[in-house]
Amino acid sequence: DTGVSQDPRHKITKRGQNVTFRCDPISEHNRLYWYRQTLGQGPEFLTYFQNEAQLEKSRLLSDRFSAERPKGSFSTLEIQRTEQGDSAMYLCASSSRDRGPLAGLGEQFFGPGTRLTVL
Amino acid sequence: RKEVEQDPGPFNVPEGATVAFNCTYSNSASQSFFWYRQDCRKEPKLLMSVYSSGNEDGRFTAQLNRASQYISLLIRDSKLSDSATYLCAVNAGAGKSTFGDGTTLTVKP
Repeated sequence: DTGVSQDPRHKITKRGQNVTFRCDPISEHNRLYWYRQTLGQGPEFLTYFQNEAQLEKSRLLSDRFSAERPKGSFSTLEIQRTEQGDSAMYLCASSSRDRGPLAGLGEQFFGPGTRLTVL
Repeated sequence: RKEVEQDPGPFNVPEGATVAFNCTYSNSASQSFFWYRQDCRKEPKLLMSVYSSGNEDGRFTAQLNRASQYISLLIRDSKLSDSATYLCAVNAGAGKSTFGDGTTLTVKP
């Protein structure tokens, strides 16, 4: 399977614990995005990387959240001191900068997500 | 007001019907537009990119109206398998996409 993969698929944790999620993008894609989605809402942008550089972070991304993409391949999203309001689906997507007729604005392809439940 | 707005529906249509969804966006600098399909508890899957000239893929047609700042998706000859939530996404060229909250479609026999 050459699509975007995410691990774990489900995570249940207690309030105050730290959690870390991993995303492996499509191998030739140099852009990687993290989104959060709650029931009845569309995905909300959290942050994105071009290669290893983190180019934008949403105001939604409090200082409890940190993301890395150290070698420009896989990425991790860590949430420290989780709160019940962090319960959501965390989605990773990737795109290729040069793909499609609108170069630099390529379509994004999503992984299956990590569903986080904070008790 | 949200940056990208969609009618949440639900749209309940019989098999074979034609159904259309609209999505409005507020950022006039938006440059690329997409429709995604999302099944319950699954990830969004790219359905179509929306080009300035409009585009068609089988039973699906997407249109862009820059003057009125909306995109549309038309589904002809609806199938039971088309039942899903349809998300529109708008990209202003900064990498991220801004999504609407989706329109739910149920196709009934």
